[in-house]
Amino acid sequence: SSELTQDPAVSVALGQTVRITCQGDSLRSYYASWYQQKPGQAPVLVIYGKNNRPSGIPDRFSGSSSGNTASLTITGAQAEDEADYYCNSRDSSGNSWVFGGGTKLTVL
Amino acid sequence: QVQLQESGPGLVKPSETLSLTCAVSGYSISSGYYWGWIRQPPGKGLEWIGSIYHSGSTYYNPSLKSRVTISVDTSKNQFSLKLSSVTAADTAVYYCARFSSGSYGEDYFDYWGQGTLVTVSS
Repeated sequence: SSELTQDPAVSVALGQTVRITCQGDSLRSYYASWYQQKPGQAPVLVIYGKNNRPSGIPDRFSGSSSGNTASLTITGAQAEDEADYYCNSRDSSGNSWVFGGGTKLTVL
Repeated sequence: QVQLQESGPGLVKPSETLSLTCAVSGYSISSGYYWGWIRQPPGKGLEWIGSIYHSGSTYYNPSLKSRVTISVDTSKNQFSLKLSSVTAADTAVYYCARFSSGSYGEDYFDYWGQGTLVTVSS
């Protein structure tokens, strides 16, 4: 079982704001990174560290963290944001990495 | 532009060893970074398998550690995965990726290969 817990599915109306969360004890010590995966494609890094976006990622994607919860926020969700989203961080040992179970985002 | 490309057999028999290679272009492995393997069973989520530094130091998923070996060949600018004693549960798309491990656990996989499906079946 994953040490990082995500809601299996979340939906958002087009143009609205959605927050996808990732919970785990290790998040009190380590940052999470976030990945977007569309069907049949490799994952794409969208957020890492405190709140960093790789080049080419729209600024509607942002990250935050509080206590044992990391969050990915999409402000003004677009149809092309419909995808699976995964968080990743170290486990409680700090010497291994783990992915959350993933959240399927539906844009209505 | 950093590019990664997985290669290897698409079909492996149960109890045998799965072997994959990831060829890196656009960046010299010996210059730094970690390099990792991640897999995704059909219809399921991502699972980190392990990572290797250019110097050869490795980190493995504890649940797979007894069966996994990751190695690096800087002369060919590639790294490899071997997973022994495979079963049907090891059927998955296998991805290779560049991995950055920073201070305060600011870690991330920034470049990924396209993935290769490996099926374990007799």
